[in-house]
Amino acid sequence: GAGVSQTPSNKVTEKGKYVELRCDPISGHTALYWYRQSLGQGPEFLIYFQGTGAADDSGLPNDRFFAVRPEGSVSTLKIQRTERGDSAVYLCASSPSGGADTQYFGPGTRLTVL
Amino acid sequence: DAKTTQPPSMDCAEGRAANLPCNHSTISGNEYVYWYRQIHSQGPQYIIHGLKNNETNEMASLIITEDRKSSTLILPHATLRDTAVYYCIVRNTGNQFYFGTGTSLTVIP
Repeated sequence: GAGVSQTPSNKVTEKGKYVELRCDPISGHTALYWYRQSLGQGPEFLIYFQGTGAADDSGLPNDRFFAVRPEGSVSTLKIQRTERGDSAVYLCASSPSGGADTQYFGPGTRLTVL
Repeated sequence: DAKTTQPPSMDCAEGRAANLPCNHSTISGNEYVYWYRQIHSQGPQYIIHGLKNNETNEMASLIITEDRKSSTLILPHATLRDTAVYYCIVRNTGNQFYFGTGTSLTVIP
């Protein structure tokens, strides 16, 4: 079946601009996660959704980062006033019901802030 | 979640078994050991997980020591396509995976 998909695959923007990154989870998965991966590092947790609500947003680095999942399926990660340090690969994962479930990852969106 | 320690890099000859170690000495009783791998420019791929018993699936085997303070991921017959970064993760029912920096495995022809 279809896995987790993310769009765009690459995004280049200028410092100060606003960007949106989209994640389509596996159909039927109620839990959705966003991670950020900098060069040479492992992915770092940003936020976790259970259904439509953000159950854990402790990994968001500051208030420029925001994510939504209005219908409990597709999620959008929004970054305001982008900075060069935001350049990274943003990964999305989903799992059937959260908790200790296995997480299945998408291919990521590579964000470059010039 | 408990922290894990992995060697930064390893080599393995094609066709041979690749044995990737992981130390997790602070693991607690309800924490699972997960392994993922990440091939260049792709998202992490689930491999296997276990709690106490050894596990085997079509991709790999996971050997967990009796005291659960360490584990080994075994790829029985490594191929060039197994070249990747392998992450050992220990987690409870929390929402996050803590990936660390993993082991970069290079399979040599």
